[in-house]
Amino acid sequence: EPEVTQTPSHQVTQMGQEVILRCVPISNHLYFYWYRQILGQKVEFLVSFYNNEISEKSEIFDDQFSVERPDGSNFTLKIRSTKLEDSAMYFCASSEEQGIEAFFGQGTRLTVV
Amino acid sequence: KQEVTQIPAALSVPEGENLVLNCSFTDSAIYNLQWFRQDPGKGLTSLLLIQSSQREQTSGRLNASLDKSSGRSTLYIAASQPGDSATYLCAVFSWGKLQFGAGTQVVVTP
Repeated sequence: EPEVTQTPSHQVTQMGQEVILRCVPISNHLYFYWYRQILGQKVEFLVSFYNNEISEKSEIFDDQFSVERPDGSNFTLKIRSTKLEDSAMYFCASSEEQGIEAFFGQGTRLTVV
Repeated sequence: KQEVTQIPAALSVPEGENLVLNCSFTDSAIYNLQWFRQDPGKGLTSLLLIQSSQREQTSGRLNASLDKSSGRSTLYIAASQPGDSATYLCAVFSWGKLQFGAGTQVVVTP
């Protein structure tokens, strides 16, 4: 069964460092998303991406964040200068069309120390 | 602004009992509603999707209802098993994104 895959599963980084979280969405999907979940809190929307551009972003998604689809299969989230409060589980999701079933990856646990 | 609430926050039942999980949302202009399962430290597994035009969706022991006008959805899990122990999240798709509730943590005791 097709699935969304994320790498790495766990990343530890020092405050101020740049990190890139990687995702391979399901191959025929056109809509891509990043969400995050701080420990003990709700899953929060970060950004959606369609047709090689951002279609929606939340207030959390400030200038420190960027997304890219560098080739036909990968979808990345970059955090330029990490802060302690960026520690969270980051989930990538994809869907074939907007508003139909979204499939999530297993997440990348980011720990900023 | 869409707010999604799940009650109760936690639930413990003996094996074999039916589970009833509630989800409410404040803005009825939703595209769909999706129920997920999350195991500790793990990803989100999609259980059921109900389109805004549907009233109900079933998959095996799971049945989800949607009353868009009153802003409510209920997930029923029949004949619960210890393997059903997890956190169940509901999420509504509106304004281009999924907005999640905080989840109901379920424990099914043998």
